[in-house]
Amino acid sequence: QITLKESGPTLVKPTQTLTLTCTVSGFSLTTGAVGVGWIRQPPGKALEWLALIYWDDDKRYSPSLKSRLTITQDTSKNQVVLTMTNMDPVDTATYYCAHRLTGDAFDIWGQGTMVTVSS
Amino acid sequence: SSELTQPPSVSVSPGQTASITCSGDKLGDKYACWYQQKPGQSPVLVIYQDNKRPSGIPERFSGSNSGNTATLTISGTQALDEADYYCQAWDSSTAKVIFGGGTKLTVL
Repeated sequence: QITLKESGPTLVKPTQTLTLTCTVSGFSLTTGAVGVGWIRQPPGKALEWLALIYWDDDKRYSPSLKSRLTITQDTSKNQVVLTMTNMDPVDTATYYCAHRLTGDAFDIWGQGTMVTVSS
Repeated sequence: SSELTQPPSVSVSPGQTASITCSGDKLGDKYACWYQQKPGQSPVLVIYQDNKRPSGIPERFSGSNSGNTATLTISGTQALDEADYYCQAWDSSTAKVIFGGGTKLTVL
């Protein structure tokens, strides 16, 4: 059974760097065609894709946020980490990580973690 | 353009067929997928690769994709289908995942 769980701070101050961890189980990050993505959703608003990392360490980023994002994976810990610099109140959202299925759909999502940006 | 456009809301009577559209430039040349999201819950994949249903998704959910429009169809809509629905595709020209703005489906 594939599961993903997000963890990280619930509150960050403006200008700080956010670090979120996605711990996965039920699959290997190094298995061919596997990918893990990060998606966020501000309260009451639509889903927004942030980043995606593949089994071969290839990485993709949202063009509008690319300068602020870094996605990495620690295969020994079964974790995918997302960092976002220079946080702003508009970055307040629920952040999800999700398992990528072939065809670039996300078939299994974590429960999400709510991050509030406020001084 | 790499944007996906959905109607903000769709209403349907119980037992009837609901259709939710997703429009984007040459969307039919890409794989489209659909997610269902109920309040306070994570999204659930209901259609992938245009018309495939993941295990556990009822047969009343179906999808199509051609030209500039992908469509999610829910046949025999039930009250429990009331939710927000999001389309998503991969834009190979910009190497990014794109989501539609979401459609609130009301069953009344």
